[in-house]
Amino acid sequence: GAGVSQSPSNKVTEKGKDVELRCDPISGHTALYWYRQSLGQGLEFLIYFQGNSAPDKSGLPSDRFSAERTGGSVSTLTIQRTQQEDSAVYLCASSLEVAGTSTQFFGPGTRLTVL
Amino acid sequence: SQQGEEDPQALSIQEGENATMNCSYKTSINNLQWYRQNSGRGLVHLILIRSNEREKHSGRLRVTLDTSKKSSSLLITASRAADTASYFCATDGTDRGSTLGRLYFGRGTQLTVWP
Repeated sequence: GAGVSQSPSNKVTEKGKDVELRCDPISGHTALYWYRQSLGQGLEFLIYFQGNSAPDKSGLPSDRFSAERTGGSVSTLTIQRTQQEDSAVYLCASSLEVAGTSTQFFGPGTRLTVL
Repeated sequence: SQQGEEDPQALSIQEGENATMNCSYKTSINNLQWYRQNSGRGLVHLILIRSNEREKHSGRLRVTLDTSKKSSSLLITASRAADTASYFCATDGTDRGSTLGRLYFGRGTQLTVWP
């Protein structure tokens, strides 16, 4: 595709349920990032994948959060036993190479609401 | 925190006026980027300025960087109602403790341009 795509665009779930959010990066981009943005706030870094290297998980807020990237392309962010404080927009971005030297291209985000 | 901090948090101007937003950061950097976000969805990259550059232009955008003061400014000239959005600065970090590949975002400036 022409850009980063994310699905679903909106997700409403009940507290305690698990959710999976999907990100399709731009073809050929080796780096993939997940961010979280709460209402009116900046971007909170969650996790970063670069090629075949071990992901940088330092931003994941708890062990309920995990992510994987299959085949160096599509990524799935999983939140287990969702809590109301997990409600936010989850943004995925990809770039050609290591950030700081390359622009990050963002998807439209998934708006997660935990009731 | 290694995040940039934008100033002001909110800016309201009339069409045709210039809008200036500032960003301060704490670490040494290779690059600083500005992004725009409409309606809490995906971010769009506006401009990247490298640490050895002092000023950069792109259309109605002018970005300055002062690495001695660890600050940057984004100027939008002849603003339009369509410029209404949130604007974020993002830095990479080269200091110890920075994670290669990550961008550090501020909380953003909400710009409103009235017709």
